[in-house]
This record gives sequence, structure tokens and C-alpha cells, in this order.
Amino acid sequence: QSVLTQPPSASGTPGQRVTISCSGSSSNIGSNTVNWYQQLPGTAPKLLIYSNNQRPSGVPDRFSGSKSGTSVSLAISGLQSEDEADYYCAAWDDSLNGPVFGGGTKLTVL
Amino acid sequence: QVQLQESGPGLVKPSETLSLTCTVSGGSISSYFWSWIRQPPGKGLEWIGYIFYSGTSNYNPSLRSRVIISVDTSKNQFSLKLTSVTAADTAVYYCARLMDDSSGSQFDSWGQGTLVTVSS
Repeated sequence: QSVLTQPPSASGTPGQRVTISCSGSSSNIGSNTVNWYQQLPGTAPKLLIYSNNQRPSGVPDRFSGSKSGTSVSLAISGLQSEDEADYYCAAWDDSLNGPVFGGGTKLTVL
Repeated sequence: QVQLQESGPGLVKPSETLSLTCTVSGGSISSYFWSWIRQPPGKGLEWIGYIFYSGTSNYNPSLRSRVIISVDTSKNQFSLKLTSVTAADTAVYYCARLMDDSSGSQFDSWGQGTLVTVSS
């Protein structure tokens, strides 16, 4: 049982815009910034979005993040086949004094 | 660009101790937090613990009684020991750099991961 809640799956067709949600509580998302990680099949996770909506160098601007209260969303516009991956949200948890993850969302490009 | 590489046995017997080392290259281990994260087959990510280069550490309460993370700045390495392992500890173990600054805390560099299987 993950501390942050994500839908287990999402899907879209090429070119479409998809969003992935992630909800938490006041001790994590409600009081700290959120990150998103992309895990391509058979590889290590990669930082996709940090500080709620910032993209590391090299991440396309098709990826964007937003936050409202204790929930966040990852949006992917102009969906491409290479975006097929697992996506994880994560945030610092003040009760744990450590990071917590969502259970992950498997994105399928139809 | 800093790079991380996990090393250690891929097979550990039940009740024994899992030991892994992460070697950091392309940058100094000093001035950062370093972490271990694991992922059971087909499942999500679980934070195990982190350590600052000075030795200050914190662990996931669910594993705290069995985990020790240490750092060797002279070798630019940090290590994980997990005692009394069971089949539930079978996972891919990742080491990662935990960047902690004004923008928040995030794992900005990851090792490729190493699969550790607990089996007799």
C-alpha cells in the first residue's frame, strides 16, 4: 500500500494529451514539493519533473506538472510511442522525514 | 554528470545479510545525500534510507531495525546492509543521489539497479 495514490493505468493515442493524477496528504504533498519519475521498461527511473512543475535539462516541454492542495497531476501532450512507461509521483513526507512514492501508473500508447 | 553503479551479490540466502555498494563517479560524494531505493519484481518503488556524506542517516521505519547505510568518502562509495533477509526482500536495488535544495528534495541521478534474489 503506497502512501501516495495513483491510478494503476492510463492510456492514449499518439498526439493525444493524457494526465496522471497523484493524491497524498498534508504531511507530504500538502506541505512539500512533488517530483515525477519516468521508468522506461527494463531501466532505472529517471527524474522527469521536480519541484511540482520544473523540468530537468533534456526533458521535453510536452511534460508538465501541476499541484493543487494535496493532489498533483502530470500532463503529457502530443503523446508519443516512446512515452510508454511507468510514471511515479514522489514527495517528501514530514512524518517520515523521508520520501514517499506513489504506486506508479503504467501508461500505454495505443 | 555524476554516475552511480551498484555492486554486490545477486543471490542471498534467507536469514543472511544483503550487502551492496554504490560507487559514485564523475563527482564527489561530499556535500550531498545518498539513498537506496528498491523495487520488488512487478511492483513500485520503496525508499530504504539515505545518508549524508558526513554520516548522518535516516531509514524507512518499515526497515529501520534491519538496515544500516554507511559512507566511505575516501572511496567515493556508500553501502547498504540489510539483515535477516526473506523472500520479500527480493528486488532490484537502486542507489541514487538525493538532491536537497531550495527547490525541494528529488532523486536526480540513479544507478542502473541490481537484482538481488533471496533464495536458498
